[in-house]
Amino acid sequence: DTGVSQDPRHKITKRGQNVTFRCDPISEHNRLYWYRQTLGQGPEFLTYFQNEAQLEKSRLLSDRFSAERPKGSFSTLEIQRTEQGDSAMYLCASSLAGGPDTDTQYFGPGTRLTVL
Amino acid sequence: QQPVQSPQAVILREGEDAVINCSSSKALYSVHWYRQKHGEAPVFLMILLKGGEQKGHDKISASFNEKKQQSSLYLTASQLSYSGTYFCGTEHSGGSNYKLTFGKGTLLTVNP
Repeated sequence: DTGVSQDPRHKITKRGQNVTFRCDPISEHNRLYWYRQTLGQGPEFLTYFQNEAQLEKSRLLSDRFSAERPKGSFSTLEIQRTEQGDSAMYLCASSLAGGPDTDTQYFGPGTRLTVL
Repeated sequence: QQPVQSPQAVILREGEDAVINCSSSKALYSVHWYRQKHGEAPVFLMILLKGGEQKGHDKISASFNEKKQQSSLYLTASQLSYSGTYFCGTEHSGGSNYKLTFGKGTLLTVNP
């Protein structure tokens, strides 16, 4: 257990439905990242927060995707009008900028999304 | 640019050694190594920074060759618990020093 938690762990939805995932980072970590991982691939960067500010979004993140980190603590990732191609493992990671292990990202267990 | 990992897969008997390589076509700032078991989160192993020293703990160590833009992960006297997929994640010099670009992974299987 890295200290990063994600909820739910599994989500099955029908095409066209909206889904929302939650990530709780390690409590003192000010950076939070979302990645997506498909079978046989490494994680792909989606977006990044420093405190509550979303500083970068990947081109992979279409307009149907939105992420928030309202108080600089937990974060949510919402996918609207899901498509079958959205089926993947969504991973959250956190890190502490300026600490002794700056740049080290600790991953949560992920949310596995299946779109039928 | 996605780093290239080699080999794609390796099978060992317990006690044997392995080397996993990670190469980039762009100048690297750092290389992060993770191990992921099926259905679980990637677990951080170590980070190597440009200009830093070779790192290691227990029987797992890694090196960073700045000239070749390559990192190698060394697993010695492998244990059954070493089985999993190993990923390298890279940060590039001059880029955002936080976004990791991962390779496709190397599947390591350690048999008794």
